Amino acid sequence: QSALTQPPSASGSPGQSVTISCTGTSSDVGGYNYVSWYQQHPGKAPKLMIYEVTNRPSGVPDRFSGSKSGNTASLTVSGLQAEDEAHYYCSSFAGNYIWVFGGGTKLSVL
Amino acid sequence: QITLKESGPTLVKPTQTLTLTCTLSGFSLTTRGVAVGWIRQPPGKALEWLALIYGNGNKRYCPSLESRLTITKDTSKNQVVLTMTDMDPVDTATYYCAHRITARHWFDPWGQGTLVTVSS
Repeated sequence: QSALTQPPSASGSPGQSVTISCTGTSSDVGGYNYVSWYQQHPGKAPKLMIYEVTNRPSGVPDRFSGSKSGNTASLTVSGLQAEDEAHYYCSSFAGNYIWVFGGGTKLSVL
Repeated sequence: QITLKESGPTLVKPTQTLTLTCTLSGFSLTTRGVAVGWIRQPPGKALEWLALIYGNGNKRYCPSLESRLTITKDTSKNQVVLTMTDMDPVDTATYYCAHRITARHWFDPWGQGTLVTVSS
């Protein structure tokens, strides 16, 4: 059982928007603004897409955005493109020098 | 450009000790404010953070695996080594090392990963 809860799958058509949730507790997601999101294509290493809840690293399209409300963080992908089809994982600092990941969400572009 | 590359055995037997090496390029653990972590991913499953070592030598471990893990650094070789004792088939996974900045709670970039299978 993963520390953070994500839906196993999400989908949308090209051009649409999709939001992936990541639910934790007040000891991790809700307690710190240290949620990050990673994209992983099959057979590839995870790639950082969002850090500190809302920030995009250089080079990540602005179609990707993050937010948080209470113990749930969210990743929204707007203007879906075929290359966005991948697994997405959230992660959070959980205090006491511990970091936790979500179970992952497979995003399908229909 | 920061890159990391994992190396180690692809197959280990149950009860054996696994030793993985992460070779760093483009940065050094002698640099202030840098850290390297290990994360694993069983086939088709989620990521799991394992361990972290800071440039100042401080170390942190996943509580559930702490008794089996040791992370060290060899600054002369610019490498980070992870050992895991008493390997079990459930430890079969792709093991990644990744770069971190102290006080920043994300990993970027990651190495390509190395698949370790535990089987007799």
